[in-house]
Amino acid sequence: AQSVAQPEDQVNVAEGNPLTVKCTYSVSGNPYLFWYVQYPNRGLQFLLKYITGDNLVKGSYGFEAEFNKSQTSFHLKKPSALVSDSALYFCAVRDIPSNTGKLIFGQGTTLQVKP
Amino acid sequence: DAGVTQSPTHLIKTRGQQVTLRCSPISGHKSVSWYQQVLGQGPQFIFQYYEKEERGRGNFPDRFSARQFPNYSSELNVNALLLGDSALYLCASSWDPNEKLFFGSGTQLSVL
Repeated sequence: AQSVAQPEDQVNVAEGNPLTVKCTYSVSGNPYLFWYVQYPNRGLQFLLKYITGDNLVKGSYGFEAEFNKSQTSFHLKKPSALVSDSALYFCAVRDIPSNTGKLIFGQGTTLQVKP
Repeated sequence: DAGVTQSPTHLIKTRGQQVTLRCSPISGHKSVSWYQQVLGQGPQFIFQYYEKEERGRGNFPDRFSARQFPNYSSELNVNALLLGDSALYLCASSWDPNEKLFFGSGTQLSVL
């Protein structure tokens, strides 16, 4: 079965420092991977996706993610964190076998950026 | 352009009641999906509709049903509400089922 795991409930980083939010996946076949961000009382916003191609994917708001097939990981990164990046981040994988476009989400990681 | 709109934004019901949640997709989007997000967890897939037909259903009981209208808007119905149905219900639309999803702000349902 397709699944993703986010091993950290919360990540704390100082403003201006690089940040990493971790995600590992388990899929049969090629993975279609996504990152979404959720601000308080808001729906999810798309950040980036990996389907095929370069292992480093660039997305919105200066975020990027590194796909690593051997480690089955898709970590979200940003070179310099902003206080406004504080939010809940979800990694997701598309459930290809179901052919429904269904996304399977991780539990989420709260990112706290302190000034 | 308007994003995905959901109504109502908040709803309070009692156990055993029925509820209908509404979603209007982004103009031109033909696929609508519903997700349930319980506090502290990631969203869980409930349904997907594409061109007014059900394309997929998650692991939810038959008390949950949905439909998509000719204008591609959608309704999610939940019958015989349980306390455990309290959650944020998210609607998402896309050009087709395999494109990225655009989410609405959700309907916060509280069952007392």
